[in-house]
Amino acid sequence: QVQLQQSGAELVKPGTSVKLSCKASGYTFTSNHMNWIKQTTGQGLEWIGIINPGSGGTSYNVKFKGKATLTVDKSSSTAFMQLSSLTPEDSAVYYCARKDGYNPFMDAWGQGASVTVSS
Amino acid sequence: NIVLTQSPASLAVILGQKATISCTASESVNKFGINLMHWYQQKPGQLPKILIYNEFSRAPGIPARFSGDEAELNFTLTIEPVEADDVATYYCQQGLTFPLTFGAGTKLELK
Repeated sequence: QVQLQQSGAELVKPGTSVKLSCKASGYTFTSNHMNWIKQTTGQGLEWIGIINPGSGGTSYNVKFKGKATLTVDKSSSTAFMQLSSLTPEDSAVYYCARKDGYNPFMDAWGQGASVTVSS
Repeated sequence: NIVLTQSPASLAVILGQKATISCTASESVNKFGINLMHWYQQKPGQLPKILIYNEFSRAPGIPARFSGDEAELNFTLTIEPVEADDVATYYCQQGLTFPLTFGAGTKLELK
């Protein structure tokens, strides 16, 4: 079945960067776009952006442009999100979520990766 | 951006009764006659799960107790009858335009 396995929790210092991974299995990786979503207690769910694993094409929420960079490695069926210039406001749980093949909803989610930014 | 206003923020329902959650969009989310409004369930400590897509279509494996409806820009998720396993936070999400946006969530508890 479809599985999205995310990398583990990260504790990072302000001003640094972190790269999260999302390994897909159970389907053809290049057939579905991949979303990334941020979840915090105060802000709920926020869409960061989406990547087309086949072409590498991306679309970002303006709020996260310059903060998040989405990439893929087709050879390992893995999507990545790099977060840069981290501040405590970037502390959150980050999910990768597969876009359904035909409709604009997320039909499979990773388990989430917690990022804590603290000195 | 399309703003989704969910209400209520929290809801306490008696087992077996009906729960109604509302999501009002700031503008149309219709594309070619289909409302691109989706509903997710997130149980405590778990990841979100799709319940309803395109306004009223149930995702595979979702019981008929869950239903979606729409009136103008006001979308509704109904759960009837409510079961203990339904304790969760429910989110609406629009899929018409980027950035994709979510409602703030409705926390369902048992009374």
